[in-house]
Amino acid sequence: DTAVSQTPKYLVTQMGNDKSIKCEQNLGHDTMYWYKQDSKKFLKIMFSYNNKELIINETVPNRFSPKSPDKAHLNLHINSLELGDSAVYFCASSQVSGVTYEQYFGPGTRLTVT
Amino acid sequence: GQSLEQPSEVTAVEGAIVQINCTYQTSGFYGLSWYQQHDGGAPTFLSYNALDGLEETGRFSSFLSRSDSYGYLLLQELQMKDSASYFCALERGAGNMLTFGGGTRLMVKP
Repeated sequence: DTAVSQTPKYLVTQMGNDKSIKCEQNLGHDTMYWYKQDSKKFLKIMFSYNNKELIINETVPNRFSPKSPDKAHLNLHINSLELGDSAVYFCASSQVSGVTYEQYFGPGTRLTVT
Repeated sequence: GQSLEQPSEVTAVEGAIVQINCTYQTSGFYGLSWYQQHDGGAPTFLSYNALDGLEETGRFSSFLSRSDSYGYLLLQELQMKDSASYFCALERGAGNMLTFGGGTRLMVKP
């Protein structure tokens, strides 16, 4: 009955590789997000995706690209991985067209780049 | 741009009341949210203030003053399980994205 799920939970890879993280929500929400949490626990928004409209945080390198096959999924693709990409990545969803304002977060994917 | 400031750590004893402050600088936002995150876990929603004033949800309350660029989270009857990190976040702009503060680590002692 998981609301927001992510796979994989852990991802260890080498510099220069390309990897993807998958996210699915079964809440029927209209908006999905990706956040990055660094080793100091600072949480930073990367993307917001609503009804095929993508909003990008201007500080996100273009090596990161979200892909949404349908309303319930928002996957994160990362090209040419760098050491600094090591972090925990959280997917989240919310219903911004309604009256609710809380975001539901997935369990996170811990990415380690060696 | 916007930035949010929170104390990095707060310590309190079980049963006490603790207030975690959040000050911000921003050109505009929809509301101020609070999230709790236990070590190794995901952020979970606690409270939201769209308007000035106090919002109460059980043992947790949150306050917002837009004129003072200030908000706080109040936790009452502290329990050991409340030991976690607490983040304030501004909901802003297209996409209703959250901009988070640096987080406050709360340690509850017996």
